[in-house]
Order: sequence, then structure tokens, then C-alpha cells
Amino acid sequence: EAQVTQNPRYLITVTGKKLTVTCSQNMNHEYMSWYRQDPGLGLRQIYYSMNVEVTDKGDVPEGYKVSRKEKRNFPLILESPSPNQTSLYFCASSPRGENSPLHFGNGTRLTVT
Amino acid sequence: AQSVTQLGSHVSVSEGALVLLRCNYSSSVPPYLFWYVQYPNQGLQLLLKYTSAATLVKGINGFEAEFKKSETSFHLTKPSAHMSDAAEYFCAVSARSGSARQLTFGSGTQLTVLP
Repeated sequence: EAQVTQNPRYLITVTGKKLTVTCSQNMNHEYMSWYRQDPGLGLRQIYYSMNVEVTDKGDVPEGYKVSRKEKRNFPLILESPSPNQTSLYFCASSPRGENSPLHFGNGTRLTVT
Repeated sequence: AQSVTQLGSHVSVSEGALVLLRCNYSSSVPPYLFWYVQYPNQGLQLLLKYTSAATLVKGINGFEAEFKKSETSFHLTKPSAHMSDAAEYFCAVSARSGSARQLTFGSGTQLTVLP
């Protein structure tokens, strides 16, 4: 089954404790992206990747890192999480073209205390 | 730069009534436009997309949207609402920006369907 898999679904952590949210897709998509969803703000892009070893900042990259060493994986790293990073996070992927729709994972709900 | 505005963060309709969710966009290049739906505790799913082939686009679950360039709008409609349509709906615009893809989402509209 074609899918984008995020793990974990739920994560509660404390300020400053490094964490990684994994994202994997099995559709051979070039484009991958991370979003955070907050009430009233819709989805805001954190980072995106046009292909392996090519990543770029989105609208809200501060406090986050990503890497794209393999085509299928695009982990999101929070080196020192803070409470303002409490949010619902989505990974998405698509073929390269700008007319291609995104395929989304089921989300990771992160709480930082 | 591009942007998306969804008018109305919450919309309520009665079951069987017309659904109209509004989306206006701005883009300096010809855009591609999408509507996504999000059910509780799930990721977003594609409802429909506009890619310049036809201005009236039909999607899943009886939804359709019309691209109006003069009004920079891409409103989503459904003739008769079902209870199962209750969800959050997002409009998105995608365009090329140099060698990259710029993709922007609206802030979403929560649709409530009343019995």
C-alpha cells in the first residue's frame, strides 16, 4: 500500500531533550516536506526537500533540523525542544512537479512541557 | 510570493443544504490549486486539484470547485451536505519558485453539518 508513515503518533517530552520524528514514504517521491498545524493557523511549512541531499527552509524553520540521506526518509529533528513547539506535525511527499498533490502521513502530536 | 485566504474559519450547514467554502489566492505565476480534507485524527486527503485543464474541477465525495482567474478564487461546493462531510477543509496553492516548489496552505475551514 502506498503510504507515508510517521512515528511516533504521540510524543510527550520535556524542554531541551532532543527528539526525532521519523517519516518514510514508499512511493519513490522526490519531494518531501514537514508541516506543523496549529489552531487558526492552518499548516505552516517547516522544511522541504526537492530530492536526496537537497533541503531548504520553509516558513517556520527555527528550532528544527532535517536530513535527506535517502529518498524514502525525511526525519525531523528537534535539538532542544521548547513548549512553543507543542503542535501537530505532518510529513508529506509527492512527485517532483508543482502540480502533484501531496500524500500526508497521519500526524505526530508533540507536547513539550 | 503567494498566499491563500479562506473566508470563514467555521461554516455550519444543515444536512441536505448547499456547501460553499471560499478560497482566494494570490500568486505571481500561474498556480496549481488544491483542496484537501482532514477528518479527526487523520492526515490530509486530496479532494480535488486544478491544473489548468478545465476551470470546473470535480473531486471525490461529490465536491467540485471552479477556478475563476478574474476573481482569483477557487471556491469549493457540494450541492447537498451529508453528515459524513463534517471535517476541516484546506485550500492550497502550488507554484514553481526558481528551482523549488512553493506550496502554501490556507488556515482551514471547519465544516459542521447539522441534522
